Amino acid sequence: SQTIHQWPATLVQPVGSPLSLECTVEGTSNPNLYWYRQAAGRGLQLLFYSVGIGQISSEVPQNLSASRPQDRQFILSSKKLLLSDSGFYLCALSEGGRANEQFFGPGTRLTVL
Amino acid sequence: GQSLEQPSEVTAVEGAIVQINCTYQTSGFYGLSWYQQHDGGAPTFLSYNGLDGLEETGRFSSFLSRSDSYGYLLLQELQMKDSASYFCAVEDSGYSTLTFGKGTMLLVSP
Repeated sequence: SQTIHQWPATLVQPVGSPLSLECTVEGTSNPNLYWYRQAAGRGLQLLFYSVGIGQISSEVPQNLSASRPQDRQFILSSKKLLLSDSGFYLCALSEGGRANEQFFGPGTRLTVL
Repeated sequence: GQSLEQPSEVTAVEGAIVQINCTYQTSGFYGLSWYQQHDGGAPTFLSYNGLDGLEETGRFSSFLSRSDSYGYLLLQELQMKDSASYFCAVEDSGYSTLTFGKGTMLLVSP
């Protein structure tokens, strides 16, 4: 079965600092990968998704970027964090080219001060 | 674009049955998914409806009416551990992404 690793579990960063969050998956090949952000008590906002190595689609204009250097690795980055970047960042995967059933990683809770 | 509406909060008692509704407006639609998220945790997949009708998985069932742009999640024999947020989500016409509703917080009391 699939396993998604995300680290760190929690992160506190100052405004203007860089960010790199890594997501690695096991037990699957050629998955669709997704980055979501969830503000406290809110729904899931899709940030980026990838259908293959080097293929990134952005859903929301922002100061974040994503990369997929390997089939099972998805990285979320920022050069300069904003206060509004605080939230719960979730990596997810789906298989078979479909999005309907997604498996989520444990998430990273980011606080920007 | 996509928009989904679901109640923000529902309360019920142990052993009861509760229905969480979801209505959607979409430019393309292939199916409706449901996810559960406990406080502080990650969402987990519950069910998917690609066709009209009822899908049953244990105590949980999900229903879809494409003509009414409406679906619901039915939870039976409620248990305290069912207290969580429940999200409906629409699969887009390219099969590549989901758009999530804002979630319904279910509170189950003794």
